Amino acid sequence: DAGVTQSPTHLIKTRGQHVTLRCSPISGHKSVSWYQQVLGQGPQFIFQYYEKEERGRGNFPDRFSARQFPNYSSELNVNALLLGDSALYLCASGRDNEQFFGPGTRLTVL
Amino acid sequence: AQSVTQLGSHVSVSEGALVLLRCNYSSSVPPYLFWYVQYPNQGLQLLLKYTTGATLVKGINGFEAEFKKSETSFHLTKPSAHMSDAAEYFCAVSVGPSSGGYNKLIFGAGTRLAVHP
Repeated sequence: DAGVTQSPTHLIKTRGQHVTLRCSPISGHKSVSWYQQVLGQGPQFIFQYYEKEERGRGNFPDRFSARQFPNYSSELNVNALLLGDSALYLCASGRDNEQFFGPGTRLTVL
Repeated sequence: AQSVTQLGSHVSVSEGALVLLRCNYSSSVPPYLFWYVQYPNQGLQLLLKYTTGATLVKGINGFEAEFKKSETSFHLTKPSAHMSDAAEYFCAVSVGPSSGGYNKLIFGAGTRLAVHP
């Protein structure tokens, strides 16, 4: 079975631009979570969606938004990019209190 | 508020030696606890988890962890380190109601394990 997939794998943007990251969950999983992992730190929770509704939001500014589609895939959008948004963005799909992570998207903001 | 503390950002062991990675948590409710491993330029892979029941949990690749409520700890061990165990290890606690799939993970800062010959 395919695991969680994310696209793109790498992305380079400049300050002020916006970015869209995509995630496809494991088949049958209805929950998708997004995490930001800055170099040298543990992942930080950004959003969780379940059945297309936002279930939780971490301590991130409104520049960060997300949505989940009827097929349970998800997009994370970040507007007005800052240098500090450079990080590995991880998507996880969940079932039974367990989250399965994708390989991540490495975002570099110049 | 829930939190996770991993003692030691870097741990170095010899191949064949015992691996001990420390994790302490803070939670106002019975926690679900997890250990994940991250290899360079990859996502997170679940090693093991504790939800309820037996406090000694066995995971993949020979790792195990013991939930000690009195010590609020969930330390990860492996009797004999292998070179392939070199990676970053994260302890995490799950918060929020489990029903409906909402289970936000709070991670520790990670421990980088180095294994030398």
